[in-house]
Amino acid sequence: AQSVTQLDSQVPVFEEAPVELRCNYSSSVSVYLFWYVQYPNQGLQLLLKYLSGSTLVKGINGFEAEFNKSQTSFHLRKPSVHISDTAEYFCAVKGAQKLVFGQGTRLTINP
Amino acid sequence: DTAVSQTPKYLVTQMGNDKSIKCEQNLGHDTMYWYKQDSKKFLKIMFSYNNKELIINETVPNRFSPKSPDKAHLNLHINSLELGDSAVYFCASEGSGQGAYEQYFGPGTRLTVT
Repeated sequence: AQSVTQLDSQVPVFEEAPVELRCNYSSSVSVYLFWYVQYPNQGLQLLLKYLSGSTLVKGINGFEAEFNKSQTSFHLRKPSVHISDTAEYFCAVKGAQKLVFGQGTRLTINP
Repeated sequence: DTAVSQTPKYLVTQMGNDKSIKCEQNLGHDTMYWYKQDSKKFLKIMFSYNNKELIINETVPNRFSPKSPDKAHLNLHINSLELGDSAVYFCASEGSGQGAYEQYFGPGTRLTVT
């Protein structure tokens, strides 16, 4: 079975500061990992995915994530955030036939 | 051009009623999903269809019945609505090939049962 734990339910940061959203996973099958973003009153949008290959994955809007097999982590980072990054962020792991989502992390950007 | 669309966007109804939510994708994907997002933003899969065939049914009450008339459409019918059904319901479709495992979500349908 697969599971995902997002270690922070809320992360407040100042504009132009760096941010890291933490995600740990558990999986008994091949590990396919994803980060999705949900802006207020919208559906989810894929930020990036890791299927294989380079452990550093670059996504849209300047986000990147690093797959760490030994620590079973897939943390999301951005070097400098903008007000428009305010949203809910979901880490997910692909199981045999479905995506299993974490609880979400609310990223709030303060001016 | 909308990739995954859902109607209606908002649905307010009384307990005991029956309602339907429609979903359409124009991405040519074979696999579609229904998710439920509760008030704490937790997302849980409900159903998955691949090319009109049901492949996942996540212990959802049988008051919920999905229907896929063709691979571009996946509708959700809910009978005898209960207060606990209030949530945001998302439809999604999944790519293959180079876009393997990437899911595209609709804008959601906010269901409020009073």
